[in-house]
Amino acid sequence: DAGVIQSPRHEVTEMGQEVTLRCKPISGHDYLFWYRQTMMRGLELLIYFNNNVPIDDSGMPEDRFSAKMPNASFSTLKIQPSEPRDSAVYFCASSLGTSGSHEQFFGPGTRLTVL
Amino acid sequence: AQSVSQHNHHVILSEAASLELGCNYSYGGTVNLFWYVQYPGQHLQLLLKYFSGDPLVKGIKGFEAEFIKSKFSFNLRKPSVQWSDTAEYFCPTGGGNKLTFGTGTQLKVEL
Repeated sequence: DAGVIQSPRHEVTEMGQEVTLRCKPISGHDYLFWYRQTMMRGLELLIYFNNNVPIDDSGMPEDRFSAKMPNASFSTLKIQPSEPRDSAVYFCASSLGTSGSHEQFFGPGTRLTVL
Repeated sequence: AQSVSQHNHHVILSEAASLELGCNYSYGGTVNLFWYVQYPGQHLQLLLKYFSGDPLVKGIKGFEAEFIKSKFSFNLRKPSVQWSDTAEYFCPTGGGNKLTFGTGTQLKVEL
């Protein structure tokens, strides 16, 4: 089975540009999570969805960040406008809530560099 | 809500040394405990997990962890580390379907 798929794997952009990160969760999983990883803050949960509905977005740093999940197989994380401090690795993860295990499966991540 | 803390942020060991990484939790209902590993440049992978039953949990690559309820601990162990175990290890906190990871423990194994 394919795991969590993220694209692009690497993104380099200039300050002020819009950035869109994409995620395809594991088929059948009903939870989707977006994380950001930096040296200083470690792995931070930004937002998570259940059945395509945002449940907790308290980790989203500011209004420049937005996330959507239009259907069960696709989610986007958008940063507009981007800033150098947004440079980080962004991970998407998914899980199956009914399994009871809460195990999350991670994608390969998108390394974002904002110049 | 359950919270978990990791004792060490950086650990350096020589190959063949034994490893124990500390993880303490505060009981807050159902105990769901995990250890994840992130090898350099890679994504997080589940190392092992505990929900119930035998408190000694075996994971991948020779790792194990023991749930000791009386000590509120879930420490990760490996009798003999290898250079390839160099990675960051996370003992996340759980609350419903949400996990909080934090900064983890950086393990460096020297030849």
